[in-house]
Amino acid sequence: QVQLQEWGPGLVKPSETLSLTCTVSGGSISRSSYYWAWIRQPPGKGLEWIGNIFYSGTTYYNPSLKSRVTISVDTSKNQFSLKVTSVTAADTAMYYCARRSGLFDPWGQGTLVTVSS
Amino acid sequence: EIVMTQSPATLSVSPGERATLSCGASQSVSSNLAWYQQKPGQAPRLLIYGASARATGIPARFSGRGSGTEFTLTISSLKSEDFAVYYCQQYNDWSSLTFGGGTKVEIK
Repeated sequence: QVQLQEWGPGLVKPSETLSLTCTVSGGSISRSSYYWAWIRQPPGKGLEWIGNIFYSGTTYYNPSLKSRVTISVDTSKNQFSLKVTSVTAADTAMYYCARRSGLFDPWGQGTLVTVSS
Repeated sequence: EIVMTQSPATLSVSPGERATLSCGASQSVSSNLAWYQQKPGQAPRLLIYGASARATGIPARFSGRGSGTEFTLTISSLKSEDFAVYYCQQYNDWSSLTFGGGTKVEIK
């Protein structure tokens, strides 16, 4: 079964770039018809879709974040990555990666990113 | 952007009772609606997709109904492990996926 694991720095300074990677195991990113997504959840709040990518590189982004977000894929490593530029405290959240076919399933366990100096 | 609205924000229910959660969409999403359960410290888990189909391994006490703009998730007889936050999500608009604000089901 497919499993996902997020990893990256847990602390990022304001105005800098947040970078996370999701490693997919139990299945190939490039041998499926799924998209691969990032979702975030600020502490105590709800879920926000950030964007997703197909193995070919096709991306969709949340319009509210589009100007600051880039999602990329490395099929050789079976990974996909997220970059959020010019972060502020409002970007502090649990960041999840997930497989997407419209709905999201499965999800990674999440990684907490705090934006603070 | 399709706005998803869940009600109530908090639902207080006793174990063994029925819980009914609502989710509304600002425009039709057909049956492209999913429900997730999230427990503290855990990632969300898919419960329902296609508005009414249970995901693999989800007990029959969870059921989903609706189409268009009005949806419900019913838990027929609450067990202790069902106390959690529930989110709906539309995937009718593939270019802009949106979640509802969540309903917390708490022990009465």
